[in-house]
Amino acid sequence: GIQVEQSPPDLILQEGANSTLRCNFSDSVNNLQWFHQNPWGQLINLFYIPSGTKQNGRLSATTVATERYSLLYISSSQTTDSGVYFCAVERRSGYSTLTFGKGTMLLVSP
Amino acid sequence: NAGVMQNPRHLVRRRGQEARLRCSPMKGHSHVYWYRQLPEEGLKFMVYLQKENIIDESGMPKERFSAEFPKEGPSILRIQQVVRGDSAAYFCASTAIGAGELFFGEGSRLTVL
Repeated sequence: GIQVEQSPPDLILQEGANSTLRCNFSDSVNNLQWFHQNPWGQLINLFYIPSGTKQNGRLSATTVATERYSLLYISSSQTTDSGVYFCAVERRSGYSTLTFGKGTMLLVSP
Repeated sequence: NAGVMQNPRHLVRRRGQEARLRCSPMKGHSHVYWYRQLPEEGLKFMVYLQKENIIDESGMPKERFSAEFPKEGPSILRIQQVVRGDSAAYFCASTAIGAGELFFGEGSRLTVL
């Protein structure tokens, strides 16, 4: 099956700092999503981005499908950004049987 | 609340008992997915259902686990004769027809004593 690798595995930031999280995948995809799992365990949908660039407030994401990677940018980080960020992909069009990466654990300190 | 609704949020069972987890998809969504999050394995797909139809159950353990999404009512994930290794967070998610974007519920956390 498809492989998903996320880096870095862990990240510690001071409040206000910027960061870039990376997701590499081993095959072409028709579905790519970024999720944030907060400290209470909730999975929050950040971006649906099989290709291109999207922005939502302090967060933005870019997927370069031809090179099989996606980047999640967090600017001016806040303590509420802490948690685990997952990238998940699916090869088949119209399916959401996603393969998840192991995540990047982010801790933002005040 | 128009989001994906799961219940119970927490469930405790003794070994050998049955666990039933329920999921109502987001309003307007007709496709339901179940995922399991184990501490050492991460998030894994289990099963994909539409009303009265299992589309893909390739991630479902072959024994003791079953899922359904009846014409009326929520989707149910059923685990028979639970063992300690079934302790995990079980997440339900839904999508609209023809859409790939997945929205998750808050999860059901199963603890097997």
